[in-house]
Amino acid sequence: GDSVTQMEGPVTLSEEAFLTINCTYTATGYPSLFWYVQYPGEGLQLLLKATKADDKGSNKGFEATYRKETTSFHLEKGSVQVSDSAVYFCALMALPGSNYKLTFGKGTLLTVNP
Amino acid sequence: EPEVTQTPSHQVTQMGQEVILRCVPISNHLYFYWYRQILGQKVEFLVSFYNNEISEKSEIFDDQFSVERPDGSNFTLKIRSTKLEDSAMYFCASRPTVNTEAFFGQGTRLTVV
Repeated sequence: GDSVTQMEGPVTLSEEAFLTINCTYTATGYPSLFWYVQYPGEGLQLLLKATKADDKGSNKGFEATYRKETTSFHLEKGSVQVSDSAVYFCALMALPGSNYKLTFGKGTLLTVNP
Repeated sequence: EPEVTQTPSHQVTQMGQEVILRCVPISNHLYFYWYRQILGQKVEFLVSFYNNEISEKSEIFDDQFSVERPDGSNFTLKIRSTKLEDSAMYFCASRPTVNTEAFFGQGTRLTVV
């Protein structure tokens, strides 16, 4: 079945450090890929997405490129801020016939220190 | 900005009791979902709902669980006879059409004691 494997956390960085959170997937068909973020006390928010191979999703300085050859969708940010502290979830939506449900990774807790 | 609203934010219940988790999806959305996250584990799909019926359910969603959209605005998840292992964060989500972004609520933390 479909699955998402994320880098185990927690990840602790200093402000302005470079961030990479690895994500790989297994899916049938041609999935769409997502990164969701959960700030403390809040729900899941879509951070960025990519719907086909070689697409790059970007938002708030975060980027991820859909790599079909390596089945990966790694999240990167060049310079993290304290406000980026949150849990990050990689997810896929496998099409067709998936009822558009999301399959999530385990989540990676990021803590950014000033 | 429209948002998905879940109530309560935290519920504590005794084992064997029934609980109803409530969600108000965004008003023009047509597809509804429940997910759960047991502490330290993955966010797992429970059920999808479209056109007033369940469109898909996971293995987790057994006879203990049911969903309802009783009045065109609320979307509820009922858990009958709760077990300790039902303790988790439950997320409701909705989307307007297929292949669009899913919007999530803040979650209800269910603690079964």
